[in-house]
Amino acid sequence: LAKTTQPISMDSYEGQEVNITCSHNNIATNDYITWYQQFPSQGPRFIIQGYKTKVTNEVASLFIPADRKSSTLSLPRVSLSDTAVYYCLVGDTGNTPLVFGKGTRLSVIA
Amino acid sequence: DADVTQTPRNRITKTGKRIMLECSQTKGHDRMYWYRQDPGLGLQLIYYSFDVKDINKGEISDGYSVSRQAQAKFSLSLESAIPNQTALYFCATSEPRVRGYTFGSGTRLTVV
Repeated sequence: LAKTTQPISMDSYEGQEVNITCSHNNIATNDYITWYQQFPSQGPRFIIQGYKTKVTNEVASLFIPADRKSSTLSLPRVSLSDTAVYYCLVGDTGNTPLVFGKGTRLSVIA
Repeated sequence: DADVTQTPRNRITKTGKRIMLECSQTKGHDRMYWYRQDPGLGLQLIYYSFDVKDINKGEISDGYSVSRQAQAKFSLSLESAIPNQTALYFCATSEPRVRGYTFGSGTRLTVV
């Protein structure tokens, strides 16, 4: 399984764009990159998934460079309700369960 | 109703007691998982099941057992609870070839 490294914590003011970068130097050809969001005392919630280049949905964008050794989750114009822990996971779509690291604790300040 | 339902939501039990945490899902997914989360840490995989006849150990299976009673039900048991099993327990489901998991709301277990 590809190991991921992401910042332990980040702070941001409301209305700013937040970019959380995850490094995964040992990513395999079949691996996808998936991000989850977790609020206190709740289960993680799927945000976005990508394989290469850029993926965008109604919540976030995911930027993946050509070498795929890192990825950046971009949250546009964050609000207080975006305060949560964000997990970057890398794995194939086959028979390997997801392995969660400690994630990045994002605190949004008014 | 929630897609993935965990019961109970909260439980306090004594050291040495046997306890069962239950998970049921209405998503029709074959794959189910049990994770444990300690305060300030990520989730650790306890057990997982890819279909009714399949059970696999995860990272931290010692002290736990599971039962996959049906496609929709996956139970986690602590045979003899100990205080360091105090944690938040999550059940999740997924489909093959799709990396999006659906998590339940969690069971907060306290062993005293």
